[in-house]
Amino acid sequence: SQTIHQWPATLVQPVGSPLSLECTVEGTSNPNLYWYRQAAGRGLQLLFYSVGIGQISSEVPQNLSASRPQDRQFILSSKKLLLSDSGFYLCAWSSETGRSNQPQHFGDGTRLSIL
Amino acid sequence: TQLLEQSPQFLSIQEGENLTVYCNSSSVFSSLQWYRQEPGEGPVLLVTVVTGGEVKKLKRLTFQFGDARKDSSLHITAAQPGDTGLYLCAGANAGKSTFGDGTTLTVKP
Repeated sequence: SQTIHQWPATLVQPVGSPLSLECTVEGTSNPNLYWYRQAAGRGLQLLFYSVGIGQISSEVPQNLSASRPQDRQFILSSKKLLLSDSGFYLCAWSSETGRSNQPQHFGDGTRLSIL
Repeated sequence: TQLLEQSPQFLSIQEGENLTVYCNSSSVFSSLQWYRQEPGEGPVLLVTVVTGGEVKKLKRLTFQFGDARKDSSLHITAAQPGDTGLYLCAGANAGKSTFGDGTTLTVKP
């Protein structure tokens, strides 16, 4: 069966520090991968998605970047964090079958607090 | 830009009551998903609907996709405290999903 791992679960960082959040998927090949940010009790904002190694699409201009160094690894990064980067970050994957009706499966998220 | 509006935003009911949550858009989606999320966790997929007019049942939950594939509803019968959570709908097109802002459901014992 497929599983998705996200870490760390919580992170407290000072303003101006770098960031690296990692997400890995097991049990599937060539998945679509996604990074979302969620405000408390609200919907998900798509930040980045990837359809393959080294292929990253950015949905909104921001202080963050994403990379996909391996097929089942997706990394969210920042060189200098801002207070506004605080939030709940979710990684997700979906099957790549050429159809658009594949649901996404989410990790347990990372709660990022910037001080 | 495709937008999904969910209503109501908040819903607080007593155990045993019925409820319906709505998800509406002016855009057509190739499929629509419903998720349930608990605090501090990722959303968990409940159902995917694909065909216009489709109805799916999951125990006490009934999901319907609108005929034009622009809207959907989630009906819960005899709600229980364990149903408490954030319910999110997501419309999918071209491998990407647009999420609604969710309905926060609280079921009081």
